Amino acid sequence: GEDVEQSLFLSVREGDSSVINCTYTDSSSTYLYWYKQEPGAGLQLLTYIFSNMDMKQDQRLTVLLNKKDKHLSLRIADTQTGDSAIYFCAESPTRQLTFGSGTQLTVLP
Amino acid sequence: GAVVSQHPSRVICKSGTSVKIECRSLDFQATTMFWYRQFPKKSLMLMATSNEGSKATYEQGVEKDKFLINHASLTLSTLTVTSAHPEDSSFYICSARETGPISTDTQYFGPGTRLTVL
Repeated sequence: GEDVEQSLFLSVREGDSSVINCTYTDSSSTYLYWYKQEPGAGLQLLTYIFSNMDMKQDQRLTVLLNKKDKHLSLRIADTQTGDSAIYFCAESPTRQLTFGSGTQLTVLP
Repeated sequence: GAVVSQHPSRVICKSGTSVKIECRSLDFQATTMFWYRQFPKKSLMLMATSNEGSKATYEQGVEKDKFLINHASLTLSTLTVTSAHPEDSSFYICSARETGPISTDTQYFGPGTRLTVL
């Protein structure tokens, strides 16, 4: 994921909001994605945002997209212990996904 | 929602043997499936793109004779690791991209296969 960058770790307390950030390089992606991976499992699609949108909200998840800065973020409200996982952002400029390195979210009691 | 299965979920084999991993889209058709490899605490590395009815497209550095891919139907792709060696031990994940006019290019991922080569 050299074209998509994420911070590696994030720790939050249960009940707080988590914000996971991602920067990407290719502005031709039509969609940008957030995936969640729990230990020993595959990737679960959390949400995606169309590139001409600034924001998308889905229950506890809010995705913000700043196309000018090529910055994507995922906010998880009221973070729970079950949200502990690795979160990957991905872009798809060529109809293949390019993943970031993943952010390990740890939720502390 | 779209579901992708993989089989087996875990396999242990001896060095020199071949292992086949199946990837199925259960409730949708997938013209294109992808095979990834993931090392511990690392991101996913795309190995190849599998297209139904045609040859797979391999990423640079991936040996096509070692990692044989067959995509015989719109719901099934297989990855065969031939003459496996301990360095092939890894977590292999497939994904399937839904075919259709309203496709968002979203890939749905299988649960992964943990391969251990002794």
